[in-house]
Amino acid sequence: QKEVEQDPGPLSVPEGAIVSLNCTYSNSAFQYFMWYRQYSRKGPELLMYTYSSGNKEDGRFTAQVDKSSKYISLFIRDSQPSDSATYLCAASGAGSYQLTFGKGTKLSVIP
Amino acid sequence: NAGVTQTPKFQVLKTGQSMTLQCAQDMNHNSMYWYRQDPGMGLRLIYYSASEGTTDKGEVPNGYNVSRLNKREFSLRLESAAPSQTSVYFCASTNQGNQPQHFGDGTRLSIL
Repeated sequence: QKEVEQDPGPLSVPEGAIVSLNCTYSNSAFQYFMWYRQYSRKGPELLMYTYSSGNKEDGRFTAQVDKSSKYISLFIRDSQPSDSATYLCAASGAGSYQLTFGKGTKLSVIP
Repeated sequence: NAGVTQTPKFQVLKTGQSMTLQCAQDMNHNSMYWYRQDPGMGLRLIYYSASEGTTDKGEVPNGYNVSRLNKREFSLRLESAAPSQTSVYFCASTNQGNQPQHFGDGTRLSIL
């Protein structure tokens, strides 16, 4: 079992919808959590970075970490066609030099 | 600000040929990474360099070698390319291991 599990989708939503993307993880040592967005034929770009449990908001994006249930979420409000991309979650432990990535969820926002 | 630059962007090789993928970062980051990304497999770590002068194996190191040339540059070498190494290769860097990594736009490699 991979340490970070992510539903690959694809997920298709109408423009303006609220999108919920989720990951689960198994390693209790993970303390740092990230969401990356990857457009086709591009490298992943960092969207959100959080430490330990709690919420972090940045514009239309909210990242949520629940360490008790080992659950990571990304919410996108008022989704736009430009949000169509693959979203990758990632996690890391203290002192680790490596990130563990989920396999990514492909999102399409339909105008 | 270029960030992480990978060259070449595309390459086609024949089985058995050798190839070096180049990566350079201009963010003064200490750590650098090489990943491969395949459909349905996600990003898999090949090798990483925690700091200048050190390299370590990742999840899928077989068939690859790396060189941390200096703090800016980290190259990936395929000594004898195989069709199973057809993939998109990404280089990344970060200032500290558990901090977010910054990625290049990839090298698309096809081995016939």
